[in-house]
Amino acid sequence: GIQVEQSPPDLILQEGANSTLRCNFSDSVNNLQWFHQNPWGQLINLFYIPSGTKQNGRLSATTVATERYSLLYISSSQTTDSGVYFCAVNTGGFKTIFGAGTRLFVKA
Amino acid sequence: NAGVTQTPKFQVLKTGQSMTLQCAQDMNHNSMYWYRQDPGMGLRLIYYSASEGTTDKGEVPNGYNVSRLNKREFSLRLESAAPSQTSVYFCASSLDSGNTIYFGEGSWLTVV
Repeated sequence: GIQVEQSPPDLILQEGANSTLRCNFSDSVNNLQWFHQNPWGQLINLFYIPSGTKQNGRLSATTVATERYSLLYISSSQTTDSGVYFCAVNTGGFKTIFGAGTRLFVKA
Repeated sequence: NAGVTQTPKFQVLKTGQSMTLQCAQDMNHNSMYWYRQDPGMGLRLIYYSASEGTTDKGEVPNGYNVSRLNKREFSLRLESAAPSQTSVYFCASSLDSGNTIYFGEGSWLTVV
């Protein structure tokens, strides 16, 4: 089956810093989603981005489907950005495969 | 608009006991899912229901059963709980296959 690898596994930032999270996948995908899991465990969908670039406030994402990767950019990070960021891919049908996540801690 | 609601939020079971996790969504979505989350392993699909009246196995279905009671509700049952089923369980829904997935708040299950 498809492999989804996220990097880095852990990231510590000072508040105000920028960061880039990466998601590589081993096969063609129909769509890709980014999720944020906050420290209380809640999973929030950030982007639905099978290709191209989208922006939402301080967050933006780019997926280059032909090269099998996606990037999540966080600018001017805040402590509330802390948590785990998951990339999830769908190759068709109902099975969406999640990466292991990038754990982000933003220091005040 | 509550989104996806699941109960209970916390549960401790003894090995061999049974229990059912309940899930309901109010977004008129066709597809519903049950995932489990274990440390360092992301989320893994247990079962899904493409539409009312259908259910199918995901990546890790052993030890679980599901019921799609109606369009709104999708339950997960552990018939004989084992310590390996200690995990956080998430119910989710989407309009259809491959659409944006919306998650419930999770159910923390410990089997002792």
